[in-house]
Amino acid sequence: KAGVTQTPRYLIKTRGQQVTLSCSPISGHRSVSWYQQTPGQGLQFLFEYFSETQRNKGNFPGRFSGRQFSNSRSEMNVSTLELGDSALYLCASSPTQNYGYTFGSGTRLTVV
Amino acid sequence: QQQVKQSPQSLIVQKGGIPIINCAYENTAFDYFPWYQQFPGKGPALLIAIRPDVSEKKEGRFTISFNKSAKQFSLHIMDSQPGDSATYFCAASEDQFYFGTGTSLTVIP
Repeated sequence: KAGVTQTPRYLIKTRGQQVTLSCSPISGHRSVSWYQQTPGQGLQFLFEYFSETQRNKGNFPGRFSGRQFSNSRSEMNVSTLELGDSALYLCASSPTQNYGYTFGSGTRLTVV
Repeated sequence: QQQVKQSPQSLIVQKGGIPIINCAYENTAFDYFPWYQQFPGKGPALLIAIRPDVSEKKEGRFTISFNKSAKQFSLHIMDSQPGDSATYFCAASEDQFYFGTGTSLTVIP
């Protein structure tokens, strides 16, 4: 059974640019969540999608957005990148809400 | 405000020792408490989880102890091995997951 797939694995962007990260959940999983992981802040919740609807949103500025498609694949977008956006972005999927996540290996974003 | 407080931040034990990682929470509506293990360059992996209707759960060498009245839960790793060296995160969930800040565990051969 394939795991959660995140692409790309690594990304280097310049301040002010925008970026789109992709996540393919485990087949049959309808819930997809995104997290930002940094050494100083740990795992910070960005948002959760279920059946193409955003169910929860973390405390991040509007530059961070996401969406989920009918096949449960999800994308997150960060516009007007700042140096502080450098982090590991993790996607996690689960069959339903409030059930153990399966995380992908993440996308390492570096903003220069 | 940190919804889940995890301690210690780092832990070093000898092979065969029993490291214990503790977490505390305030929100009594939380009803799912998982532990995750993360190796460098990888995403966190679900290790073991517990619901508040039980006080203990064992899976292999990993045990969760849950104290509902104290609003605390802990992870015990029996007969720890160097391969257990990783970062461990606790979490609590109602409709959203809240993660602890992580514990870096080093098991010395």
